[in-house]
Amino acid sequence: QVHLVQSGAEMKKPGASVKVSCKASGYTFTSYAITWVRQAPGHGLEWMGWITADNTTTNYAQKVQGRFTMTTDPSTNTGYLELRSLRSDDTAVYYCARITSSGWDFDYWGQGTLVTVSS
Amino acid sequence: QSALTQPPSASGSPGQSVTISCTGTSNDVGDYNYVSWYQQHPGKAPRLIIYEINKRPSGVPDRFFGSRSGNTASLTVSGLQAEDEADYYCSSYAAINNVVFGGGTKLTVL
Repeated sequence: QVHLVQSGAEMKKPGASVKVSCKASGYTFTSYAITWVRQAPGHGLEWMGWITADNTTTNYAQKVQGRFTMTTDPSTNTGYLELRSLRSDDTAVYYCARITSSGWDFDYWGQGTLVTVSS
Repeated sequence: QSALTQPPSASGSPGQSVTISCTGTSNDVGDYNYVSWYQQHPGKAPRLIIYEINKRPSGVPDRFFGSRSGNTASLTVSGLQAEDEADYYCSSYAAINNVVFGGGTKLTVL
């Protein structure tokens, strides 16, 4: 069975950095790209970008370009999202998801990681 | 990239049908077959229920039906059940390897 298990909740001060992990199991990790989606409290889903599982190609939403970095470690079947220069409006649940091989759909999701940015 | 437009809420009685719209542009919904729908219950991760406009992943009941006309995609839920009460989000490929979501629709089963 496919599972994506994310790291635990984080609380950070403005200006700090945080790295969220997403460990995959139950499939061939390098065959599927990973995407990251966030959801601010009481708000909708916001797409952040994607990365090929072999860590060679990324594409970021314009809003987070330059401040967020996606990486993977194929040796441990784990994806990472690093957020820098955190602001209060980065407070959200961050989800990783697997991108289907046929297109731009996200078929399996992690449980989400709450990142709270507060002074 | 602007978000796709969804109605904030929709409702129906058990057994009825309800349709949720998702309006984009000729640069996303209208130009690509990669329109998806996700169901999200409170406190849970989203679940893919429709992909490529009208395909259902295994395990998704055939009460969920996706379609598209021009720049607007639609999700129809027929035979409404209590467990269908959730938030629903559409998404679309939007060129240059980008994806855009709709603002979400809260479906209430009366």
